Amino acid sequence: SYELTQPPSVSVSPGQTARITCSGDALPKKYAYWYQQKSGQAPVLVIYEDSKRPSGIPERFSGSSSGTMATLTISGAQVEDEADYYCYSTDSSGNHGVFGGGTKLTVL
Amino acid sequence: QVQLVESGGGVVQPGRSLRLSCAASGFTFSSYGMHWVRQAPGKGLEWVAVIWYDGSNKYYADSVKGRFTISRDNSKNTLYLQMNSLRAEDTAVYYCASCIAAAGTHWYFDLWGRGTLVTVSS
Repeated sequence: SYELTQPPSVSVSPGQTARITCSGDALPKKYAYWYQQKSGQAPVLVIYEDSKRPSGIPERFSGSSSGTMATLTISGAQVEDEADYYCYSTDSSGNHGVFGGGTKLTVL
Repeated sequence: QVQLVESGGGVVQPGRSLRLSCAASGFTFSSYGMHWVRQAPGKGLEWVAVIWYDGSNKYYADSVKGRFTISRDNSKNTLYLQMNSLRAEDTAVYYCASCIAAAGTHWYFDLWGRGTLVTVSS
């Protein structure tokens, strides 16, 4: 079955840039989406269609995708950005959703 | 306000069945595809199933295919997940989710419920 691969953890100091990667063979043809999940809460969409930001999401969140890798970038990460981040896409058939394993972002 | 509210979770023995519901409000439910996503305790998110806005198409994760059935009643603004032959590995918080940014069925989610916990244990 199709897999999306993320690093388990990323750590940065406040104000630094955090980059979280997501690799998958179908990403050249399928959009990547990014979700932020804080402890005990439902996920929140922070990036859709590779690089678009929903209303209400701070400008420091951005996304990009090239080849088989998508990247979520948090420019000037803040303590409140500490959370688990999940990439999401569909397999090559377009009939199954797939989440990456998640990346725990630590900002301290 | 726009919201999704899941219900029906609880403790169930292995091999038994359970039906989850998701009540939608604040938007035209019949215009949007709906998904179920689950999260085992301390684990990551797992997509479970999707149903088209009109119920015409349904797709499932391999891990639940043949055991779970997604359905909807647009007259009641409600989504369902019938779970049969439950296993310990089905223990998770189950979220219903949708993309309401545009009408139709989309393969991502901008609206989530708060989830309902299903525990499969003897």
